[in-house]
Amino acid sequence: DTGVSQDPRHKITKRGQNVTFRCDPISEHNRLYWYRQTLGQGPEFLTYFQNEAQLEKSRLLSDRFSAERPKGSFSTLEIQRTEQGDSAMYLCASSLGTSDYEQYFGPGTRLTVT
Amino acid sequence: AQSVAQPEDQVNVAEGNPLTVKCTYSVSGNPYLFWYVQYPNRGLQFLLKYITGDNLVKGSYGFEAEFNKSQTSFHLKKPSALVSDSALYFCAVRDRGDSWGKFQFGAGTQVVVTP
Repeated sequence: DTGVSQDPRHKITKRGQNVTFRCDPISEHNRLYWYRQTLGQGPEFLTYFQNEAQLEKSRLLSDRFSAERPKGSFSTLEIQRTEQGDSAMYLCASSLGTSDYEQYFGPGTRLTVT
Repeated sequence: AQSVAQPEDQVNVAEGNPLTVKCTYSVSGNPYLFWYVQYPNRGLQFLLKYITGDNLVKGSYGFEAEFNKSQTSFHLKKPSALVSDSALYFCAVRDRGDSWGKFQFGAGTQVVVTP
């Protein structure tokens, strides 16, 4: 068990560019979550996958954001036409299928939009 | 809707003294409650959880937390703090009725343990 991994760890981009982040969950975990964390705040829920199905999206996830989890394994989060307000830490978490399990978090991808 | 309040932005404690980090919550149903710790430029690390049963739960690194339903609280405690406990602590809640299991996190409490 190598834990949840995320790539890249840091991304600096210019406003208006597109960026894509990758998350590899713990192998037997069928639930995958994306959160966004800004300075001084706790993580905020963005979206959730059970296997390959995206089952819930937060209002925070504007139409510039899209997430996929093909084949129920790794997941990608894409942000199109980035804005300075998108600068944040993007966290991925995974968990087992039953409802009382804790979520295991990756190290995060820190996005800076200049 | 669910929410979490961590009333203290920062807690300062001397090494060896007891540490308490406060958390209160609001959910429409019954809660699952969690504590996580975050070190600089790192993801969140799970400490402990309350699901059901004994109100006092024990977790990693000597931490424990007490679930108090009447006060809707889930305070994190450690009898004797270490300098290495200095970090950012998050309380999280999820409603048992939420099938998707998403967490609502508090804003976090910075713990500073001085030698």
